[in-house]
Amino acid sequence: DAKTTQPPSMDCAEGRAANLPCNHSTISGNEYVYWYRQIHSQGPQYIIHGLKNNETNEMASLIITEDRKSSTLILPHATLRDTAVYYCIVRVALGSQGNLIFGKGTKLSVKP
Amino acid sequence: NAGVTQTPKFQVLKTGQSMTLQCAQDMNHNSMYWYRQDPGMGLRLIYYSASEGTTDKGEVPNGYNVSRLNKREFSLRLESAAPSQTSVYFCASSGRRDSWSYEQYFGPGTRLTVT
Repeated sequence: DAKTTQPPSMDCAEGRAANLPCNHSTISGNEYVYWYRQIHSQGPQYIIHGLKNNETNEMASLIITEDRKSSTLILPHATLRDTAVYYCIVRVALGSQGNLIFGKGTKLSVKP
Repeated sequence: NAGVTQTPKFQVLKTGQSMTLQCAQDMNHNSMYWYRQDPGMGLRLIYYSASEGTTDKGEVPNGYNVSRLNKREFSLRLESAAPSQTSVYFCASSGRRDSWSYEQYFGPGTRLTVT
C-alpha cells in the first residue's frame, strides 16, 4: 500500500471550509484514497473515498489531483464537532477482508 | 441496531493476569478486526477474521489470541498481560458500502491499563 503524508495539525474557524491535504506520490493505478476520522476517544468513522474523480457526500468532498499524487478533503462548513484526527489511507479497494493501515493523521481543531 | 459493541469499556490489570475483550456486531458482517491504538499513534491491526471460522494474524499479534465464536462475536484474549499491552483496543467489522468497496465500522473501544 502507498504511504501518505499529512500535516500533523491544522486549525479552522467555525463555519469556514476546512481543507485537509494528503500527499500520496507513490500511489498505484489500482489504489483508492480513503478518509476516516477519529473524534476524541471514539472509534474511527468513515468519511469518503475515491479513485480519480472528485467525490462528494453528505459529510465532505474529496478532490484528487489529475496525476493522483495528492488529494484534499474538504469539510465545507466546519463545526466544533468536526474537531478530530483525520486519516488519509491509500490502498487497493477495501474488500470484505481488507484491513486499514492508519498513520498519524492530521489533528484538525475547529475554533469558535 | 447497535452497530459494533465492546465490553468492558475500561479495565485495569496487573502484570501476568489474563482477560478477554468481547466484541459483537449486529450488521451481519462477515469480517471482523481487532486493532490497538497507543497514545499519539494510529491504529495497528492485531488479528482479523475474514469469515466465521477463520482467523489471521495482523501486524502486532504477539501476546494475543482470538476466537471467532460465531458470525456476530469476535473476542480478544490476553493470556498474561504485560505493561506494553496498555492501550486502547478497537473492534471493527466491515460491510459493503457500494458495488466495489467496503466500509469498516468501529466500536467505542476498551481502555486497558496493565500495571
